[in-house]
Amino acid sequence: QVTLKESGPGILQSSQTLSLTCSFSGFSLNTSGICVSWIRQPSGKGLEWLATICWEDSKGYNPSLKNRLTVSKDTSNNQAFLKITSVDSTDIAIYYCARNWEFYFDYWGQGVMVTVSS
Amino acid sequence: DIVLTQSPALAVSLGQRATISCKTSQNVDNYGISYMNWYQQKPGQQPKLLIYEGSNLASGIPVRFSGSGSGTDFTLTVDPVEPDDIANYCCQQSKDYPWTFGGGTKLELK
Repeated sequence: QVTLKESGPGILQSSQTLSLTCSFSGFSLNTSGICVSWIRQPSGKGLEWLATICWEDSKGYNPSLKNRLTVSKDTSNNQAFLKITSVDSTDIAIYYCARNWEFYFDYWGQGVMVTVSS
Repeated sequence: DIVLTQSPALAVSLGQRATISCKTSQNVDNYGISYMNWYQQKPGQQPKLLIYEGSNLASGIPVRFSGSGSGTDFTLTVDPVEPDDIANYCCQQSKDYPWTFGGGTKLELK
């Protein structure tokens, strides 16, 4: 059974760095073809793909967030991580991690809400 | 970036067919595969994969859901619509980075 669960600080101050963790089970990030992605959704709005990390450690980032994103993984502990630097009010959203199987997101975590205070 | 355009809402009666469209700003086909996926999202829940690569039904999804289309025009069909299908539906392309999503279509009861 594949499960993913996001965790994070809940609330942080503007200009700080947001650190999120995705803890998963039922699959391994050592398996060929498997990736984990981060997607976010501001309240009442659409989904935005942020970043992906794959089994062979390749990474992809959404250029709209320029150089603010860093994705990494701890394969032995079945975790993936996302860092976003210099957060502001535009980063307020629900953040999801999802497993990529080839070119689609087949399993999603329940999401974690992130609020930025000024 | 490839832009995906969906109508904001669609009203349908239970037992009838719902046809939800997604138009892309660029062709999302490559070597015979349509890199178009569909997700269902209910309030307070995470998205759920319904259809991948244009027309393939995801595991555990009822056969009343189907996907079709190619190039820049895609359709998700729900036939017949059941009460549990009232939700938001969004399309997503994985042909080119950055992967992008449509704004979603809210399926409502008429």
